[in-house]
Amino acid sequence: EAQVTQNPRYLITVTGKKLTVTCSQNMNHEYMSWYRQDPGLGLRQIYYSMNVEVTDKGDVPEGYKVSRKEKRNFPLILESPSPNQTSLYFCASSILGNEQFFGPGTRLTVL
Amino acid sequence: EDQVTQSPEALRLQEGESSSLNCSYTVSGLRGLFWYRQDPGKGPEFLFTLYSAGEEKEKERLKATLTKKESFLHITAPKPEDSATYLCAVQAMGGNKLVFGAGTILRVKS
Repeated sequence: EAQVTQNPRYLITVTGKKLTVTCSQNMNHEYMSWYRQDPGLGLRQIYYSMNVEVTDKGDVPEGYKVSRKEKRNFPLILESPSPNQTSLYFCASSILGNEQFFGPGTRLTVL
Repeated sequence: EDQVTQSPEALRLQEGESSSLNCSYTVSGLRGLFWYRQDPGKGPEFLFTLYSAGEEKEKERLKATLTKKESFLHITAPKPEDSATYLCAVQAMGGNKLVFGAGTILRVKS
């Protein structure tokens, strides 16, 4: 089954404790992206990747890092999480220029 | 700067009561306009892509239309299972980035 998977689905952590949210797709898509979704603000892009070893900032990259060492994986790293990073996070992938397929989401709470 | 505004923020309909959702956009050269459906606790699910003014696409009770400034998602004779948040997004020429609106929360009561 074609899908985008994210882990963990739910995470509660404390300020400053480094964490990684994994994202994997099995559709051989070149493009992958991370979004955060907050009430009233919609989905906002954090980082994206056009292909392996090619990443770039989206609209809200501060406090986040990404890497793309393999085509199927695109982890999101929070080196020192803060409460304002409490949000619902989605990973997405696509063929360049086509519709994006979204993962199930990761609900992160930073205390 | 590319922008998307969706209205209304929330819409409550009776089963069978047709209506439309609006998506107004400004973009520096439209590559595509996308509609997604999002159920609570789930990721957005792709519905339609529209590429040029005048284009229309249909899927079951949903029909999406596009002009140079806005898109409409028409819902004909909705059922309770159509209840969801509907998201609109635009993609500009030369890029892959999606700019999303805040969404319209649709509730259909039987």
